[in-house]
Amino acid sequence: GEDVEQSLFLSVREGDSSVINCTYTDSSSTYLYWYKQEPGAGLQLLTYIFSNMDMKQDQRLTVLLNKKDKHLSLRIADTQTGDSAIYFCAERGSGGGADGLTFGKGTHLIIQP
Amino acid sequence: NAGVTQTPKFQVLKTGQSMTLQCAQDMNHEYMSWYRQDPGMGLRLIHYSVGAGITDQGEVPNGYNVSRSTTEDFPLRLLSAAPSQTSVYFCASYMGAGELFFGEGSRLTVL
Repeated sequence: GEDVEQSLFLSVREGDSSVINCTYTDSSSTYLYWYKQEPGAGLQLLTYIFSNMDMKQDQRLTVLLNKKDKHLSLRIADTQTGDSAIYFCAERGSGGGADGLTFGKGTHLIIQP
Repeated sequence: NAGVTQTPKFQVLKTGQSMTLQCAQDMNHEYMSWYRQDPGMGLRLIHYSVGAGITDQGEVPNGYNVSRSTTEDFPLRLLSAAPSQTSVYFCASYMGAGELFFGEGSRLTVL
């Protein structure tokens, strides 16, 4: 079955850029997503990218997709304490996604002052 | 719009008890799903539904039942709770493509 892999932790200094990486195995993925989960809360969609795109930028967020290597990254510029959360990479397969998304285990982003 | 509403937010059960986690959405989405989230495991799909009257199993369905009698509601039933079912449960609704909308989660402890 499909698999999505992420590092469990990333520590960055406030003001630096954070880059969270993700790899996936399903070559027929249609959409790839980044979700953010703050402590005690549900998941909120940050951004997503269609599989025929290489890059998507939205304010401080930049998503890069290397479809050949099945690698997705999320860059957060000027990281702030409010960015501290768990970030989940997820992919939707080509089957229409009726069964939802396949999620990675999440990357805990830790902000150092 | 309320989006996706889950109740209860917190629940403590004893082993062997049964209960139902409720999920309701007001966005007229066709698809709904239940996930459980455990530390270091990410989100794992329990059951999903592609429309009223149609449900299917996800990755970890054992110990859980679902039904979808209306578009709006997708309850998750634990028939005989076990400590291994201690988790945070998330309900999501979505159309065929695009974003999944999540509820705030239901935190279940089984003693």
